[in-house]
Amino acid sequence: QKEVEQNSGPLSVPEGAIASLNCTYSDRGSQSFFWYRQYSGKSPELIMSIYSNGDKEDGRFTAQLNKASQYVSLLIRDSQPSDSATYLCAVHPGSGTYKYIFGTGTRLKVLA
Amino acid sequence: EPEVTQTPSHQVTQMGQEVILRCVPISNHLYFYWYRQILGQKVEFLVSFYNNEISEKSEIFDDQFSVERPDGSNFTLKIRSTKLEDSAMYFCASSDWTSTGNEQFFGPGTRLTVL
Repeated sequence: QKEVEQNSGPLSVPEGAIASLNCTYSDRGSQSFFWYRQYSGKSPELIMSIYSNGDKEDGRFTAQLNKASQYVSLLIRDSQPSDSATYLCAVHPGSGTYKYIFGTGTRLKVLA
Repeated sequence: EPEVTQTPSHQVTQMGQEVILRCVPISNHLYFYWYRQILGQKVEFLVSFYNNEISEKSEIFDDQFSVERPDGSNFTLKIRSTKLEDSAMYFCASSDWTSTGNEQFFGPGTRLTVL
């Protein structure tokens, strides 16, 4: 059974701080990794995708991938109250499947 | 910016009734998906659709479920005889697999309530 694990939180950070969200996955052959933001009662919104080991930056967001450790993370710099949401890690296991496997999500609370 | 749209936003039905959830994927995308999320739980894959046929389905997607692309724009999910446990948010997603990736974009969802 392929799994994606996240700490459910809540992770509370003060406004302006860096929020660090983590995700581990069980399938070593996984190829593609995604972070989605989901506000309560809304749909997942794609924030970042990452396919290669290392860091990928987009504005205030940095995704980090370490395939050897089967670990993906998302850093949010200068956190804002509007960043308060659940962050979902999704993994595409690789060839032969089309689906994403989602983690349960980490709830982030940015305190003003 | 192109987006996935879904209708209705909320559907209430009686147990045993048929429901059809509708989606309009992003226009140049070729891969379509349905996921569901039971309240407080993970987003779960139901089915993927490509080239007018199902390319993959999960264990959840049993004989009570079907998908169809009746025209060039709509993509539908039908639940033939709804059960209480079908109550969930249903998300349609679409993607365009390229050499750089396979990002799936989600619609706003349909909240299905089975009474």
